[in-house]
Amino acid sequence: DSGVTQTPKHLITATGQRVTLRCSPRSGDLSVYWYQQSLDQGLQFLIQYYNGEERAKGNILERFSAQQFPDLHSELNLSSLELGDSALYFCASSVDGLGMNTEAFFGQGTRLTVV
Amino acid sequence: SQQGEEDPQALSIQEGENATMNCSYKTSINNLQWYRQNSGRGLVHLILIRSNEREKHSGRLRVTLDTSKKSSSLLITASRAADTASYFCATDARDTGNQFYFGTGTSLTVIP
Repeated sequence: DSGVTQTPKHLITATGQRVTLRCSPRSGDLSVYWYQQSLDQGLQFLIQYYNGEERAKGNILERFSAQQFPDLHSELNLSSLELGDSALYFCASSVDGLGMNTEAFFGQGTRLTVV
Repeated sequence: SQQGEEDPQALSIQEGENATMNCSYKTSINNLQWYRQNSGRGLVHLILIRSNEREKHSGRLRVTLDTSKKSSSLLITASRAADTASYFCATDARDTGNQFYFGTGTSLTVIP
């Protein structure tokens, strides 16, 4: 158990809909990262938050947004969903915001299926 | 993109043999990490090697880093069936240290 909790584990929704994925980082970790994993794109970095503020942005679509709340949990909002958004979405946390300087702990992921 | 590439894409070995997988990346890095992912599950951190290090060991794992060739290798010695998983390298880019990018992964199958 990594200590990172993601909910829900599975999500099935229709095209055009909006969903929210939730992540609770490990106790004491200030950084949260979101990744998308699909068969054709591999593991893509989406966005990072550190202590409530956006720290780095990757390949995140404009239809997607995220935030980190004062209690450090984070939510990833996906809107106007398309079939191609079907993927595993991972949240990871680390103790600091230095990216690769420390290890990241990954949640078990949310499997999103858009039908 | 800084995203690394692992080689080979897939590897199948007998239990007890050694497994070597390689990672190449494109731009200068601060650090490189290796992660393991069991099928459909979260990634687990294995080892971190800094750009000024050349080799690092952790149990049955040995990681090397050659910054001149922009490559790293992960060696798993005396493999076990439980080592069956996908292995990813993750790199940052020296000038954008907060982002880190995963490679395409090597799928390792260890046959009992």
